[in-house]
Amino acid sequence: ELKVEQNPLFLSMQEGKNYTIYCNYSTTSDRLYWYRQDPGKSLESLFVLLSNGAVKQEGRLMASLDTKARLSTLHITAAVHDLSATYFCAVDGSGNEKLTFGTGTRLTIIP
Amino acid sequence: DVKVTQSSRYLVKRTGEKVFLECVQDMDHENMFWYRQDPGLGLRLIYFSYDVKMKEKGDIPEGYSVSREKKERFSLILESASTNQTSMYLCASSSVGEQYFGPGTRLTVT
Repeated sequence: ELKVEQNPLFLSMQEGKNYTIYCNYSTTSDRLYWYRQDPGKSLESLFVLLSNGAVKQEGRLMASLDTKARLSTLHITAAVHDLSATYFCAVDGSGNEKLTFGTGTRLTIIP
Repeated sequence: DVKVTQSSRYLVKRTGEKVFLECVQDMDHENMFWYRQDPGLGLRLIYFSYDVKMKEKGDIPEGYSVSREKKERFSLILESASTNQTSMYLCASSSVGEQYFGPGTRLTVT
């Protein structure tokens, strides 16, 4: 059974700081997705990582994938308040587009 | 833009009632999914469908059934609602991997 673990589960950081969210998964996969969820809202797709070494960047967020280590990271650079949200990683472990989600990281940016 | 819509944002039902949650997507996606989201548990897959009239169980199918009579529509059915089915229900559709989510239905069973 595929397991996806994120850490930390909760993260409170000051504006302007850098930090990284980690996503580990238990079986071989080269398809990993990052989503953002604002309170009371649905999930919004952030990044799609489809191969070992893939790196995607959008604004202050950068995601990478290391399939050999079964690890993806979501790096936040110079955080701003608008990035406060819950971030989920999800892995396609079977190649059939069925995703297994991590439990999410609730990020709070403090002014 | 892909649009996934769900029939209700908020729903309150009584224990034992039959509940229908509807999901419609407008991008001709083959795959559709139903999840429930609970605090501390992330998203858990209930059922998914790869094509019309096809369905497969996800990780927590007990107490639920689904129907897909048309490609754009995927329905989740709670045959006899129970209080432990109080949750946020999210529908998604996908093609070539990336899933697009609807706004969610917050169901309360009293």
